[in-house]
Amino acid sequence: AQKITQTQPGMFVQEKEAVTLDCTYDTSDQSYGLFWYKQPSSGEMIFLIYQGSYDEQNATEGRYSLNFQKARKSANLVISASQLGDSAMYFCAFRKNSGGSNYKLTFGKGTLLTVNP
Amino acid sequence: NAGVMQNPRHLVRRRGQEARLRCSPMKGHSHVYWYRQLPEEGLKFMVYLQKENIIDESGMPKERFSAEFPKEGPSILRIQQVVRGDSAAYFCASSPTPPNTQYFGPGTRLTVL
Repeated sequence: AQKITQTQPGMFVQEKEAVTLDCTYDTSDQSYGLFWYKQPSSGEMIFLIYQGSYDEQNATEGRYSLNFQKARKSANLVISASQLGDSAMYFCAFRKNSGGSNYKLTFGKGTLLTVNP
Repeated sequence: NAGVMQNPRHLVRRRGQEARLRCSPMKGHSHVYWYRQLPEEGLKFMVYLQKENIIDESGMPKERFSAEFPKEGPSILRIQQVVRGDSAAYFCASSPTPPNTQYFGPGTRLTVL
C-alpha cells in the first residue's frame, strides 16, 4: 500500500515570504499522481495543484508550485508571497493513475501552516 | 457551476441512532467517493460509487455502514446505531471518469453524544 509522509506537523511563515511544505511518498507504481489540498479552519477541502508522474515539468497554479523530485519520491508544495488567508491545514495525497484503484486518494496527515503578519 | 453539495453540515446523534449523510456531485460528474476524517488525521477512503453501483467499499466498516447512489437523487452514506467512535468529518468528492481530479464537498461533521 502507498504511504504518504508529511514530516512537518506545523510551519510558520511571515506574510509575503515563500514557504515549502514537504511531502514524500512510497510506491512501486510507475503511473501515479500527487495532489495538494488546502483545508482552512472552516473545514472544506480545496484542490490546489496536481502533478503526474510522467509530467516533464513541475506543476504551477498561480502562487502554488510543486517541486517534484521523482527519484527522491518527493512532491513538495511551494507557496510564494504568502498571504494571511493561506493559514490552513495542507494535505498531500497520492493516487495511482493506472490499473485497479486508480481513484483512491491516500492522504498524508497534513501540515498546519500559520502565516504571521 | 455548483460544486459538490453535502448536507447537513453538522449532525448530532445520540448513541444508537441512525445518521444519514447526503451528497450531490458536481454537475456532469457521475462518480462519487466518501472519505472520513478523524480528529488530527488525514482523510481515509471509505467507498466509491457510480450511479446504482458500489464499485469499491473496501474502506468502509463491514457493519453498520452502508452507501448508495441511486439513479435519481443524491448519494447517501448511512450509519446505523452510531457509536462515539463514529464522530468525525465525512467528506464526499466527485469526479468525471477516473483517473480525474476529485472535488470535495464541504463535509458533514458528525458528533455522537
